[in-house]
Amino acid sequence: NAGVTQTPKFRILKIGQSMTLQCTQDMNHNYMYWYRQDPGMGLKLIYYSVGAGITDKGEVPNGYNVSRSTTEDFPLRLELAAPSQTSVYFCASSYSGTGMTEAFFGQGTRLTVV
Amino acid sequence: LAKTTQPISMDSYEGQEVNITCSHNNIATNDYITWYQQFPSQGPRFIIQGYKTKVTNEVASLFIPADRKSSTLSLPRVSLSDTAVYYCPPGSARQLTFGSGTQLTVLP
Repeated sequence: NAGVTQTPKFRILKIGQSMTLQCTQDMNHNYMYWYRQDPGMGLKLIYYSVGAGITDKGEVPNGYNVSRSTTEDFPLRLELAAPSQTSVYFCASSYSGTGMTEAFFGQGTRLTVV
Repeated sequence: LAKTTQPISMDSYEGQEVNITCSHNNIATNDYITWYQQFPSQGPRFIIQGYKTKVTNEVASLFIPADRKSSTLSLPRVSLSDTAVYYCPPGSARQLTFGSGTQLTVLP
């Protein structure tokens, strides 16, 4: 059982380039999330999705886009990379019912924008 | 909007019991209280969850008073490997935010 899989694990981008961070889960979870974590800081929610076809902004959505065409996949798109987007990105998923939540996280993508 | 408040950092010595308290502002009636642990360079991982009173598993205990305005994560006899950041996110699964967490440092 793979859980939440993120690719790539590391990436260096030049300013202005674009890329897509991939996230896949095999637990049939309805909720999925993208976070960024800057050094020494907590996690900031970028976007989240409560099901296929439904996405919404989190705390820091500017500069990012997402889509959720299937239950399993939740890619995060960076259109014009900026140095401020240098961070570690985590994808997570959870099944929420009756108020109980246990989120499962991927191993993260370390992105450097130069 | 639900929000949680927890200490920024705590130090402890090996073998001691550590209690980390979280204040839960506006927790929804149906939401459970959940704690996560994060090691450097890894994503957070679920530790324990409860609704009321006390819950215990092989890793920790969770104490929740009747008014559910706070929760206390208890780690018995900590070791150096318990050094990590501990989070008590607001209960809503819909917009799951984590804040800065509590950095627990276990000293030898």
